[in-house]
Amino acid sequence: QITLKESGPTLVKPTQTLTLTCTFSGFSLTTSGVGVGWIRQPPGKALEWLALTFWNDERHYSPSLKNRLTITKDTSNNQVVLTMTNMDPVDTATYYCAHRLDSSFFDPWGQGILVTVSS
Amino acid sequence: EVLLTQSPATLSLSPGERATLSCRASQSIAGYLAWYQQKPGQPPRLLLYETSYRASGIPARFSGSGSGTDYTLTISSLEPEDFAVYYCHHRASWPTTFGQGTKLENK
Repeated sequence: QITLKESGPTLVKPTQTLTLTCTFSGFSLTTSGVGVGWIRQPPGKALEWLALTFWNDERHYSPSLKNRLTITKDTSNNQVVLTMTNMDPVDTATYYCAHRLDSSFFDPWGQGILVTVSS
Repeated sequence: EVLLTQSPATLSLSPGERATLSCRASQSIAGYLAWYQQKPGQPPRLLLYETSYRASGIPARFSGSGSGTDYTLTISSLEPEDFAVYYCHHRASWPTTFGQGTKLENK
């Protein structure tokens, strides 16, 4: 059974850097074709894809946020870390991580973590 | 970047009725489309992938069709638990994107 769980701060100040960790089980990021992505959802709004890393270190970023995002993997600890710099109140959202195969879609997802950006 | 436009934004129907949700892509996505269901306070759940394949455990009342730029999610006979927000999502190219969602509400 694949499970994922997001962790990190739930409140950050404007201009700070957000670091979120996705800890997963039931699969390995050393297995061919496997990936983990991050998606966010502002309150009451739609889903927005942010970044994705695959088993072979292939990484993809949302073009609109590329300059602020970094995704890394720690295969020994079954974790994927997302950092987002220069946080702003508009970045307030629930941040999800999700499992993905390179030939498929995000499934399953973690429960998400609500991050609020406020001074 | 491929933009996905979902319609309608809100669909008001009653249990037992048929629901038809639309997703239009700004360019061909060659069938590389998925549908997700999201209920309040929950993460999205994968319903259909590659246009028409049901994910594990998804009831047969959910079906998908389409090609090129136009895709449809059909729920043949609505159950009370089907009222939720539905998102389409493509993986045809980078960046991958989501539609803005259709809220299916109980009339």
